[in-house]
Formats: sequence, C-alpha cells, structure tokens
Amino acid sequence: KAGVTQTPRYLIKTRGQQVTLSCSPISGHRSVSWYQQTPGQGLQFLFEYFSETQRNKGNFPGRFSGRQFSNSRSEMNVSTLELGDSALYLCASSLGGGRTDTQYFGPGTRLTVL
Amino acid sequence: KQEVTQIPAALSVPEGENLVLNCSFTDSAIYNLQWFRQDPGKGLTSLLLIQSSQREQTSGRLNASLDKSSGRSTLYIAASQPGDSATYLCAATVNRGSGNTGKLIFGQGTTLQVKP
Repeated sequence: KAGVTQTPRYLIKTRGQQVTLSCSPISGHRSVSWYQQTPGQGLQFLFEYFSETQRNKGNFPGRFSGRQFSNSRSEMNVSTLELGDSALYLCASSLGGGRTDTQYFGPGTRLTVL
Repeated sequence: KQEVTQIPAALSVPEGENLVLNCSFTDSAIYNLQWFRQDPGKGLTSLLLIQSSQREQTSGRLNASLDKSSGRSTLYIAASQPGDSATYLCAATVNRGSGNTGKLIFGQGTTLQVKP
C-alpha cells in the first residue's frame, strides 16, 4: 500500500506570492490533517479535513486555507507569503480521523520564502 | 490549554545502551499519546500509539508507557543502535472540546545520537 504522498517536495517563493501544496492520503483514508514545522515553534496544527469538510482548525491567520476533494486528496493554500511562512509542511492521513486512529505522515513539502 | 514538553532536547549515548525519553503533558484529559520518529529533512514515522485506557505499548525494542495521573509518558529504547539516531516526538490527542478529531499537540522533540 502506498504511503502518504506530498507534492511538490521543495518550493521556493518570494514574499507576496501564493502557493498551493498537495497531499494524497493512503488509499481508504478519509481524514487529512496539515501541520507546519519550524525550528522555533515546532509542529503546529493547521487544519483537519474529513469527507470534504473542515473539522478542526488551528490558530493560523486566514491566509492559510485548505480543502479536500471527493477522493480524499487535499490541498492547502497560503496567500500573500511572508518570510515567516518558510517551513516544512506535513500532512497526515488516517482512516476516520478520530481520536483512536493512528496518523500516518507524508515526507513533507519544504517551503522557502525569499 | 494542553502543553507537551520533552526533556532533554538532545541526548547522546554509546551503542548498546538502554535509554528513556521523557514526555510530559499539562492536561490529563488526553485521549491518546503517540510517539513518532523523524529523520533529518523527512516526515514523521509513527512508532507507538497508547490509548488513554492503556498503560503501555511495545514494539520490538521499543516500549512506551503512559501515566495520565502524573502527566507523563516515557519511551524506552533497549540496546540502542546507530540506526536509532533521529528526533523522537511525542504528541497528545486532547479529549476536551475538540470533538472526535485527531488534532495532535506535539512536544519539541528529543534529538538522539547513538555513537558506534
């Protein structure tokens, strides 16, 4: 069974641009969560989607948004990029997204904002 | 607000040594606790998941324990090997106010180096 895949793996953007990251969950998984990882703040929860609905959202500005498609694939978008958005963005999938489910992480997308 | 702390931030041990990584959390109303491993520049690999009703979980040379009353979890690694070198993260799923969601709250991690 293929694992969680994320594209692209690396991305370089300049301030003010926008970016879209993609995550394909493990086949059969219906929940996708997104996390931002930085050296200073560690891993922080962005949002969680289940069956195309956002079920939970972290404490990030409205420039960060996401969506989930009917095949469970998910995208997150960051508009008006700032230098502080440079980070490793990780997505995780699980069967139902419930509290008992193990979450499986992808390799991440490394975003650098210049 | 749930906070998860891992001490120490870094640890270096000789090969073959048994070691314990510590994780503490402020709110005992956790639903479960997961331990992950992260290699440099890579994603997270799930090692062990302990439900709140359980005391411990074992997988190979790894054993994770959970004590909700004291707000602590430990990851025990037996007979450490250089291949165990990585950052180890613990994460708690909170049981209050978040519905049945899998939102994880992570510690900052312990970076382990096992020297040959």
